[in-house]
Amino acid sequence: GAVVSQHPSRVICKSGTSVKIECRSLDFQATTMFWYRQFPKQSLMLMATSNEGSKATYEQGVEKDKFLINHASLTLSTLTVTSAHPEDSSFYICSARGGGQGNTIYFGEGSWLTVV
Amino acid sequence: EDKVVQSPLSLVVHEGDTVTLNCSYEVTNFRSLLWYKQEKKAPTFLFMLTSSGIEKKSGRLSSILDKKELFSILNITATQTGDSAVYLCAVVVRDNYGQNFVFGPGTRLSVLP
Repeated sequence: GAVVSQHPSRVICKSGTSVKIECRSLDFQATTMFWYRQFPKQSLMLMATSNEGSKATYEQGVEKDKFLINHASLTLSTLTVTSAHPEDSSFYICSARGGGQGNTIYFGEGSWLTVV
Repeated sequence: EDKVVQSPLSLVVHEGDTVTLNCSYEVTNFRSLLWYKQEKKAPTFLFMLTSSGIEKKSGRLSSILDKKELFSILNITATQTGDSAVYLCAVVVRDNYGQNFVFGPGTRLSVLP
């Protein structure tokens, strides 16, 4: 099946710094990628939807200047958490959907971010 | 506002039991319904349902959709401890930006030996 790779799987950063998470579709071209955030024992919360070559669409309440999303190619999207704070510590998951994959989306492995 | 509800939110059973997980939805522009299993990391895809009344099966898991009553069920027979996970239901809807995925809160299943 389709594979989506996310990197890094775990990252610890200092408060005030920025951290970048990459999401790659390995065997298909992802026209749309989604970024989610998940707190412990809660469901996935959609942060933003990004289409290749255009600006991301952010969900209500998500700060676009803090969570920078870039979808520069059909196989790569990045999420940059800028000026990270401890409350940004969370599990971030990307997913991707491509033209050949129908309505199914495939998830990356997720990234645990800890801000100290 | 599009909404997906799952029940129960939490379930504890013993190995060998059969469980039924429920997902109901109220959305505009329904496209399909997806079931995922989430263990420690990212969710893994189980089923995609687009038509009413057609059961999809994979081993001990099966699922069916009722588009008239707006719900889907996921059945797991002869449960095993490896079935312990959170099961997520997601409805694909079409909005102004294309397609969006609305997730339910998940059902946390614990299978005891």
